Amino acid sequence: DAKTTQPPSMDCAEGRAANLPCNHSTISGNEYVYWYRQIHSQGPQYIIHGLKNNETNEMASLIITEDRKSSTLILPHATLRDTAVYYCIVRVDYNNDMRFGAGTRLTVKP
Amino acid sequence: KAGVTQTPRYLIKTRGQQVTLSCSPISGHRSVSWYQQTPGQGLQFLFEYFSETQRNKGNFPGRFSGRQFSNSRSEMNVSTLELGDSALYLCASASGGGRAGEQYFGPGTRLTVT
Repeated sequence: DAKTTQPPSMDCAEGRAANLPCNHSTISGNEYVYWYRQIHSQGPQYIIHGLKNNETNEMASLIITEDRKSSTLILPHATLRDTAVYYCIVRVDYNNDMRFGAGTRLTVKP
Repeated sequence: KAGVTQTPRYLIKTRGQQVTLSCSPISGHRSVSWYQQTPGQGLQFLFEYFSETQRNKGNFPGRFSGRQFSNSRSEMNVSTLELGDSALYLCASASGGGRAGEQYFGPGTRLTVT
């Protein structure tokens, strides 16, 4: 699976959009981009995934660049409960072996 | 639907002992993956079981083993425990098969080896 690069930490004001970047320059054509988050002491929680089109669900939006070498997770109106470590993972669709990196620690501040 | 459950939630063992952790996936899910999380190494993939067969394996020694039963419940065993095995052990279930899909994680079992 392709390696990902994320900033180690980010801050965001409550109520503002949080934009979390991820670089995956060696992504292959059959690899999806997945985002998970982990709130302290809990198991990771699935957020969203995509292949090449932008995706949106009730939690977030995923913007993937046209060359697929990077993506951005957008939390439109961050709340204090969104404070967590956010992981960007790329993997093939048939492989449930997910390689987590260090992730981005997002802190939402009042 | 009930989520992924893991038992026990907390466990304390001494070096040299062995331990068995249990994971019950979401009903209908056939894939169960196990992960180890430590402050130093982060989240690391141990192995995945699908339909009672190990489908993928991470880079862990043979002391770490697992199995899956016909009802998709899975157990993970660690023999000859070492201090470095202290970690949060997470299992995740997925529908499996050949399609992309999300994994659902349980709350984890926190193992402390003394």
